[in-house]
Amino acid sequence: NAGVTQTPKFRVLKTGQSMTLLCAQDMNHEYMYWYRQDPGMGLRLIHYSVGEGTTAKGEVPDGYNVSRLKKQNFLLGLESAAPSQTSVYFCASRKQGGTGELFFGEGSRLTVL
Amino acid sequence: AQSVTQPDIHITVSEGASLELRCNYSYGATPYLFWYVQSPGQGLQLLLKYFSGDTLVQGIKGFEAEFKRSQSSFNLRKPSVHWSDAAEYFCAVAEPGGSARQLTFGSGTQLTVLP
Repeated sequence: NAGVTQTPKFRVLKTGQSMTLLCAQDMNHEYMYWYRQDPGMGLRLIHYSVGEGTTAKGEVPDGYNVSRLKKQNFLLGLESAAPSQTSVYFCASRKQGGTGELFFGEGSRLTVL
Repeated sequence: AQSVTQPDIHITVSEGASLELRCNYSYGATPYLFWYVQSPGQGLQLLLKYFSGDTLVQGIKGFEAEFKRSQSSFNLRKPSVHWSDAAEYFCAVAEPGGSARQLTFGSGTQLTVLP
């Protein structure tokens, strides 16, 4: 019972490099989210998706792009990484409707030098 | 816009002592309310949730929380803390009605448990 799986779990980048984080969920959830977690700031929403082929901006979208080509996958891309994007990134999913309970992946720690 | 405040950044308690973590929210109506726990190096796990009915809700691992509308609070409690409860705890609110983007998190409370 995998739930929400994120890859990679750790990555070190140099400023200006690009990378993609992959999130996969096996619960057939309609909604998927990317958050970043920074000390003292809780979780902040980067982008989210309400279904295959749709994406929307969250609270802190600048410098990130996302795609949801398949219902079970949600990709987060950094085209030109900056040190300010050093963070722990969490993917989450939930079913449409209901009470809004999110199911989280274990996180991806990204360091930008 | 909704917001969540967790006034305590860090709390230290002794094993076996009682615990209360504070959460206050700002929202025009009664939101859906959640407490999540994050163990080191892990994702967030749901402890409990409130969306209607009895204002005292029970969760996993012996935790409970009480919704107080008059105080806009949803404090988390546990009568006797175990060493394994050391973690970071997040309060979150969601807008009733199923909107996709509305889950807002507090900044978290780090719990340290002394032996």
